[in-house]
Amino acid sequence: DTAVSQTPKYLVTQMGNDKSIKCEQNLGHDTMYWYKQDSKKFLKIMFSYNNKELIINETVPNRFSPKSPDKAHLNLHINSLELGDSAVYFCASSQGRASYNEQFFGPGTRLTVL
Amino acid sequence: SQQGEEDPQALSIQEGENATMNCSYKTSINNLQWYRQNSGRGLVHLILIRSNEREKHSGRLRVTLDTSKKSSSLLITASRAADTASYFCAPWGNTDKLIFGTGTRLQVFP
Repeated sequence: DTAVSQTPKYLVTQMGNDKSIKCEQNLGHDTMYWYKQDSKKFLKIMFSYNNKELIINETVPNRFSPKSPDKAHLNLHINSLELGDSAVYFCASSQGRASYNEQFFGPGTRLTVL
Repeated sequence: SQQGEEDPQALSIQEGENATMNCSYKTSINNLQWYRQNSGRGLVHLILIRSNEREKHSGRLRVTLDTSKKSSSLLITASRAADTASYFCAPWGNTDKLIFGTGTRLQVFP
């Protein structure tokens, strides 16, 4: 069974469009994260939710809006896509809001903005 | 900064050899985690070592932690082609987040 799943796996879109990426975890964890990995493989945290409460909000343009309908889901909506948004986006989950424990990552969503 | 810095940036070895990767950080930590990323995949957790531990083993992996030097190392013994991946360290201090470096790219040739 997949622990952390993301859809879609690939997303190709035009500049200016709005798109969403969905994430679900079946591990019973209470904390979920969104990371962005750029072309140089630098992995940067964007957001984190603990029990549906936003606890980390890095310096991310407000075109990016996370939504957590419940503990098992954390979606990422991106408005007015720009070329620089092209990257791989990873969802992750862990038990506990602090990094006492390991994080489990999804397979990633490769976003290409044309 | 809580970010770990991996060294070397890239490492190429033959199957059967050992691979050693290092991680340095600047702040005090509660634990340090190592992750692996195969090409085109998400990160996979390898080992978590707590600040009061000096060494930890998991199969062919051995992690050491020296808090006085603010450094950690990951040793992969008897490497295999399947170990080819990027390896990241993530020191965790007193925030809610892990900060990853750019990793060490390991290439194991058959």
